[in-house]
Amino acid sequence: DAGVIQSPRHEVTEMGQEVTLRCKPISGHDYLFWYRQTMMRGLELLIYFNNNVPIDDSGMPEDRFSAKMPNASFSTLKIQPSEPRDSAVYFCASGNRAAGELFFGEGSRLTVL
Amino acid sequence: GENVEQHPSTLSVQEGDSAVIKCTYSDSASNYFPWYKQELGKRPQLIIDIRSNVGEKKDQRIAVTLNKTAKHFSLHITETQPEDSAVYFCAASSGGGADGLTFGKGTHLIIQP
Repeated sequence: DAGVIQSPRHEVTEMGQEVTLRCKPISGHDYLFWYRQTMMRGLELLIYFNNNVPIDDSGMPEDRFSAKMPNASFSTLKIQPSEPRDSAVYFCASGNRAAGELFFGEGSRLTVL
Repeated sequence: GENVEQHPSTLSVQEGDSAVIKCTYSDSASNYFPWYKQELGKRPQLIIDIRSNVGEKKDQRIAVTLNKTAKHFSLHITETQPEDSAVYFCAASSGGGADGLTFGKGTHLIIQP
């Protein structure tokens, strides 16, 4: 397996634009997580899915953020409209509950000007 | 919800010396405690984990100890090497696995030659 695949790796956009980040989890994993990493806040859990169903979205900062998982092999995190304070590295991770280990993607570095 | 505190935020040690990173957690129901290592510009990766039915676990030069009564756990790295330089994150979960992990803010470990 190629691991968790995220795209794009880097995104630079202007304030007010829509941003869509994509993730392909490891096949067979039943959990998918979206994290945001900044120097100030560290690793923050935004939302996670179990068997494609959103379980906990309490970490989503505002209504500008939304996430979907239409099937077991694909998830998106959307920010609309984007703001400079959304600049961060966004990680997608997948795993199995019993095993415990999270497998992270390479991350998507977002810069909002 | 769970709150994980991690200390110190930065740790500098001489190559060959030992390094200790400490974490405390608030939820007495937490039962799974992983440690992740993140090298500069890379993704976090699991290096060791411990469950609440075990007090200590070792893997070559790294070890983790857990004190459930005091609600704290520690990462010990012996005979530190330059490749140990990274940011280390502790985490805690009451779900016993991948779901519901709360991460500490991270410790930047610097190995001085």
